[in-house]
Amino acid sequence: QKEVEQDPGPLSVPEGAIVSLNCTYSNSAFQYFMWYRQYSRKGPELLMYTYSSGNKEDGRFTAQVDKSSKYISLFIRDSQPSDSATYLCAMSVDSSASKIIFGSGTRLSIRP
Amino acid sequence: GAVVSQHPSRVICKSGTSVKIECRSLDFQATTMFWYRQFPKQSLMLMATSNEGSKATYEQGVEKDKFLINHASLTLSTLTVTSAHPEDSSFYICSARAARGGPYNEQFFGPGTRLTVL
Repeated sequence: QKEVEQDPGPLSVPEGAIVSLNCTYSNSAFQYFMWYRQYSRKGPELLMYTYSSGNKEDGRFTAQVDKSSKYISLFIRDSQPSDSATYLCAMSVDSSASKIIFGSGTRLSIRP
Repeated sequence: GAVVSQHPSRVICKSGTSVKIECRSLDFQATTMFWYRQFPKQSLMLMATSNEGSKATYEQGVEKDKFLINHASLTLSTLTVTSAHPEDSSFYICSARAARGGPYNEQFFGPGTRLTVL
């Protein structure tokens, strides 16, 4: 079993839709939960991180962590074609983030 | 701020040759740099961690004699793939992290290097 599981998609939605991306994990020691966006042939960029359980909102993006279920989500409101990318969830056990475990990524396409 | 560059962005080489990839932090000093490998439709896998002036720490299963890492300065790390073979073809991504600051010590990722070994 992988430490982090993520549906690879692809996921295609119309512009303006709400997008829900999810990951599950097995290691209860994870404390920091991140979402990265990766455009084709580019390195990943950090969208947001969350510490422990709870919600965090940043503009159109909302991250949720449920440690009891070992389940994390990223919601994108009012999705735009520019949001089309691969979204990677990632986790680490501490804030130094010396070892980040990544999901395999979900490829998202927003149709104009 | 926090820009990380990689060079080259793409390289094609013959089997048996060596390839060097550079990773630079352009606007901050990176006390730690990381090297990842990403196969198509798979997650980034950490290969090694290097601290400036120290030997790199390799993840289990990564051959240190094949993937030579040098972190000679606070802004430059290099990865040399020695005697490359077709199975080494992959997307290699570096990241850099500054000295600790803030509640979460973010890694900043470079744009990656696509290596194709013929």
